[in-house]
Amino acid sequence: EPEVTQTPSHQVTQMGQEVILRCVPISNHLYFYWYRQILGQKVEFLVSFYNNEISEKSEIFDDQFSVERPDGSNFTLKIRSTKLEDSAMYFCASRGVEGHVEFFGPGTRLTVL
Amino acid sequence: GDSVTQMEGPVTLSEEAFLTINCTYTATGYPSLFWYVQYPGEGLQLLLKATKADDKGSNKGFEATYRKETTSFHLEKGSVQVSDSAVYFCALRNTGGFKTIFGAGTRLFVKA
Repeated sequence: EPEVTQTPSHQVTQMGQEVILRCVPISNHLYFYWYRQILGQKVEFLVSFYNNEISEKSEIFDDQFSVERPDGSNFTLKIRSTKLEDSAMYFCASRGVEGHVEFFGPGTRLTVL
Repeated sequence: GDSVTQMEGPVTLSEEAFLTINCTYTATGYPSLFWYVQYPGEGLQLLLKATKADDKGSNKGFEATYRKETTSFHLEKGSVQVSDSAVYFCALRNTGGFKTIFGAGTRLFVKA
């Protein structure tokens, strides 16, 4: 069964450093998403991406964040200068054109020290 | 804006007990409704969904019915197992919307 994959599973970084989280969505999907979950809290929407552009973003997704689909398979989230409060689990998701369901990856746990 | 409210946890049950986790939503239009489950240390898995009023989603013994009149999508299971211990998230996505909106999650502990 096709699945969304994410790398790395755990990333530790120093405050102020740049990080890139990587995702490989399901191959025929066209909608891509990033969500985050601060430990013990709710899952929060960050950004959606369709047709090579951001379709919607939340207030969390400020200028420190960017997304890219550099080739036909990868979808990345970059945090330019990490802050302590960026520590969270980051989930990538993808959805097909006709589908109602977003399929989630296993997540990347980001720890900012 | 659209939102999801679900009962606070944790919920602690004995094996074979009946489970209900309440979920209500606020949305314009006609959203699709979902329950996701997150097992310890893992990501989010779709448990079940319903895309229109009166639809019943079901999977692995869990059920939820889309009730437009009460704006609810309560999760039920007749007999829980220890392996059902997890966090359960109610969620919605509105028609034409790009994002899924999640409730706060309800942690379920099932004791043997």
